Amino acid sequence: SQQGEEDPQALSIQEGENATMNCSYKTSINNLQWYRQNSGRGLVHLILIRSNEREKHSGRLRVTLDTSKKSSSLLITASRAADTASYFCAMIKAAGNKLTFGGGTRVLVKP
Amino acid sequence: GAGVSQSPSNKVTEKGKDVELRCDPISGHTALYWYRQSLGQGLEFLIYFQGNSAPDKSGLPSDRFSAERTGGSVSTLTIQRTQQEDSAVYLCASSPPGLGGYNEQFFGPGTRLTVL
Repeated sequence: SQQGEEDPQALSIQEGENATMNCSYKTSINNLQWYRQNSGRGLVHLILIRSNEREKHSGRLRVTLDTSKKSSSLLITASRAADTASYFCAMIKAAGNKLTFGGGTRVLVKP
Repeated sequence: GAGVSQSPSNKVTEKGKDVELRCDPISGHTALYWYRQSLGQGLEFLIYFQGNSAPDKSGLPSDRFSAERTGGSVSTLTIQRTQQEDSAVYLCASSPPGLGGYNEQFFGPGTRLTVL
């Protein structure tokens, strides 16, 4: 079963706009990670935020984590057509070692 | 360097047959994971190997599923007496030494299994 829930399930935006997706989870976590998946195959790690961090940046990506609300968000700024993909949040539970994934957000960036 | 590789990339089999899926992790990575991605269930954890420790098999859906990791490197996931609900993309991932769950995981391209 999935511990994480993501919204929206799908997002369609114009190139240059920002894309924001949210992830909520149920139990205490050690860290939360975001992955991207193209064409339903391998996942690519984007960013990892630890439970004692609140915000992290990597290039055009910004991730926030609110452990009191058990939620995280991923913001992609100035989106490009190449950002079209599915984005998954994944959690490592406290004292755990395996990733539990959210349902994913399908992002379509129109040129 | 080379990433995680998986073979075959696609496998079509008949219901009731056994299949073996292979994963070659990144050299030096001590942790290896198998996940399954299907339309109805999303991405699910199957099994986790860390060094010489006993594997965490808590995600295996039935006793028809088993996995081994030989020599701390290559892993094989075996599904016996395949069923149509086993159809999915099977993803392997590895992560570097340290507390495996605290590191990012590097995924292979997956094996798409279709059971007819």
